[in-house]
Parts: sequence; C-alpha cells; structure tokens
Amino acid sequence: SQTIHQWPATLVQPVGSPLSLECTVEGTSNPNLYWYRQAAGRGLQLLFYSVGIGQISSEVPQNLSASRPQDRQFILSSKKLLLSDSGFYLCAWSVSLNQPQHFGDGTRLSIL
Amino acid sequence: GQQLNQSPQSMFIQEGEDVSMNCTSSSIFNTWLWYKQDPGEGPVLLIALYKAGELTSNGRLTAQFGITRKDSFLNISASIPSDVGIYFCQGGSEKLVFGKGTKLTVNP
Repeated sequence: SQTIHQWPATLVQPVGSPLSLECTVEGTSNPNLYWYRQAAGRGLQLLFYSVGIGQISSEVPQNLSASRPQDRQFILSSKKLLLSDSGFYLCAWSVSLNQPQHFGDGTRLSIL
Repeated sequence: GQQLNQSPQSMFIQEGEDVSMNCTSSSIFNTWLWYKQDPGEGPVLLIALYKAGELTSNGRLTAQFGITRKDSFLNISASIPSDVGIYFCQGGSEKLVFGKGTKLTVNP
C-alpha cells in the first residue's frame, strides 16, 4: 500500500532563517505531488505541484520554492523565512491531477 | 481559472442533527470529491463522485454530483461529536481545486 511521510511534525524558526521541509511517498511510481499551506482554521492554499522529476509548477508567487530531486521526494524550501510563512504545511500525492489526493500528517511551522 | 464556492463557511449544530453543505462551480466539472480534516491532521477522502447525478453513501454521509455538473452536496445524518472538523469539497476536470471548507462544530 502507498504511504506518505512528512517531517518534521513541528518546527519553530526565527525570521530570516532558511527552511527545508521534506515529503516522501512509498508504494507508487511517478506520483503527482503537492505542497499546500493552511492558516489556522482556514482553507488549503496550493503552493506548488509536480507531475514529474524536476517539473515544478508554482501557484502563488512568494519567497518559497519547491524541488523534486527524485521520483517520490518533494522538498519545500526558503532562503529567508518571513513571519507570514507561519502555518500548517501539507504534502499530498495523487495518481494524476484529476484523481483524489492523499495527504501527509503536516508540519506546523511557527516563525518567531 | 476554475473557482469553487463552498457554503456554509461554518456550522454549529447539536448532536443528532442532520447537516448539509454544498459546493458550486463557475464551470462544468467531471469530478467532485469530499474530504474531512480532523484538527491537526491532513484531509482524508470521504467520497468520490465521477458521474452527473451520482449519489454515493459512506455510512452516515451521502454526497451527490449535481445534474448540471456545476455543484455537489454533502449530507451528514444524525451527527455525533466525532464529526467535528473541516469538510472540503474538491472538483474539476483536468485539474482539481479545493473549496474553502466548512468548519463543523457539534455540541453534545
């Protein structure tokens, strides 16, 4: 069966520090991968999605970036975090762009 | 681009009551999905709909793919405290978009 792992579960970072969140999927090949951000009690904002290795589509211009160095690995990065980057970050995968998405447990990021 | 309107934004109900929420789109969709997000976790798929008029149940949950292909409904019957959470619709054709969610609170 397929599983998705996200880490860390929680992270506290100072303003201006770098960020690296990692997501890996097991049990499937060539998944579509997604990064979402969610403010407290709010909706899901799609940040990036990827249909293959090295292929990244950005939905919202910001100081975040994403990379897909391997088929089942998706990384969310920032060189300098802003206070507004705080939130709940979720990684997800799907078989294709029009199929249900399967989410990880999320990373709660607090910026101080 | 595709846009979804999900309503209501939040609901406060008593245990045992029925719940109804819906999503509408500005364009015709081929797929409607409903998810539930428990606090502090990622959303989990509840029901998937792929055909206009389709009515699908999952326990006390029932969802329908609207005949016009521009809307979908989710009903929860006889709510219980563990139904609390945020319910999201997701729809589209080649690509899917999420609604903004309905936050459900159930008072015992």
